[in-house]
Amino acid sequence: QKEVEQDPGPLSVPEGAIVSLNCTYSNSAFQYFMWYRQYSRKGPELLMYTYSSGNKEDGRFTAQVDKSSKYISLFIRDSQPSDSATYLCAIGHMASRAQKLVFGQGTRLTINP
Amino acid sequence: ETGVTQSPTHLIKTRGQQVTLRCSSQSGHNTVSWYQQALGQGPQFIFQYYREEENGRGNFPPRFSGLQFPNYSSELNVNALELDDSALYLCASSSGLAGADTQYFGPGTRLTVL
Repeated sequence: QKEVEQDPGPLSVPEGAIVSLNCTYSNSAFQYFMWYRQYSRKGPELLMYTYSSGNKEDGRFTAQVDKSSKYISLFIRDSQPSDSATYLCAIGHMASRAQKLVFGQGTRLTINP
Repeated sequence: ETGVTQSPTHLIKTRGQQVTLRCSSQSGHNTVSWYQQALGQGPQFIFQYYREEENGRGNFPPRFSGLQFPNYSSELNVNALELDDSALYLCASSSGLAGADTQYFGPGTRLTVL
């Protein structure tokens, strides 16, 4: 079983739709939770990070963490064609002395005008 | 503020060769992590350097090695290249162990092994 599971998609929605992206994880020792956006042929760009269960909002993006269910989500409101990218969930913990990020497989999202 | 930079952008090598990839961390950051991203997959943690010492390693063989320099730039070396080493290699920097959860990535080096 992978430490972090993410539906790879692809996911295609019309402009303006609400998008929901999800990941599950298996290790209760995971301490912090992130979402990255990766455009084709680019490095991942940090979108959101949080330490605790609950919701965190930043503009059109909301990150949701449920530690009891080991489940994290990213919601995108009023989706735009420029949001078309691969979205990666990343979960972090200390591995020996290192801050290690464990990534999901990534969900490829296309927003159609 | 200067972001994370990596060189070269692309590289083609043959099996058995050795390769060195380079990373300059973001200004003010003293921790560098390296990740391997195979096509269609999420990045996988290779190792992390903090103040010139390796302080954590993922499930990668010893032929993957690294260095961090006093200016916090870093190198990833891979010996005896195999076809499966073809991937995007990402460097991420962060500002010390206390704040190392926020890792900022460079654009990556795409390595092709023939």
